[in-house]
Amino acid sequence: SQKIEQNSEALNIQEGKTATLTCNYTNYSPAYLQWYRQDPGRGPVFLLLIRENEKEKRKERLKVTFDTTLKQSLFHITASQPADSATYLCALPDSGGYQKVTFGIGTKLQVIP
Amino acid sequence: EAGVTQSPTHLIKTRGQQATLRCSPISGHTSVYWYQQALGLGLQFLLWYDEGEERNRGNFPPRFSGRQFPNYSSELNVNALELEDSALYLCASSLRVVTEAFFGQGTRLTVV
Repeated sequence: SQKIEQNSEALNIQEGKTATLTCNYTNYSPAYLQWYRQDPGRGPVFLLLIRENEKEKRKERLKVTFDTTLKQSLFHITASQPADSATYLCALPDSGGYQKVTFGIGTKLQVIP
Repeated sequence: EAGVTQSPTHLIKTRGQQATLRCSPISGHTSVYWYQQALGLGLQFLLWYDEGEERNRGNFPPRFSGRQFPNYSSELNVNALELEDSALYLCASSLRVVTEAFFGQGTRLTVV
């Protein structure tokens, strides 16, 4: 099955800077990759989906890239704000089925005022 | 429009008992997914239901089971509870072709 690697160490950045989070996968290249935000004790909230034929996707201050050669996705938050502090999860479909989605453990982002 | 709703919010059971968790998807969504999130761990895929049928399941023992009703709501049953079943159980729904999944707030199950 697909193995997803996200930096489990917390990422601390200063307000106003760009946060960059990494998601690496180890097996086959998925048809799409998703990013979610999760706040403590709450369910994840969908942010962006990028398909295998797309190199980059943007939504407001968010940008996602997808490099199938490197088997990596980068998630950027520009002009970060303290309200962006949360855990960010990447998710992709497992070989067991298009809709069986595997989630990474997530990276905790802390934006310092 | 109401989002995905889960009940109960919290559930405390003793080892060996059975737990039933419920989920109502967003109106129009036919697919329901269940995930387990233990403390400090990522989301582990449990089950996927669509149109009343179990379509896929994760690497969990058979004592984790569920069903989807004609109105697309779903129920997750965990039999013979063990201490390590303590976790946040999340339900999500989507349209048949996945673009995004919408999650509920979860049920916090504690087994003592």
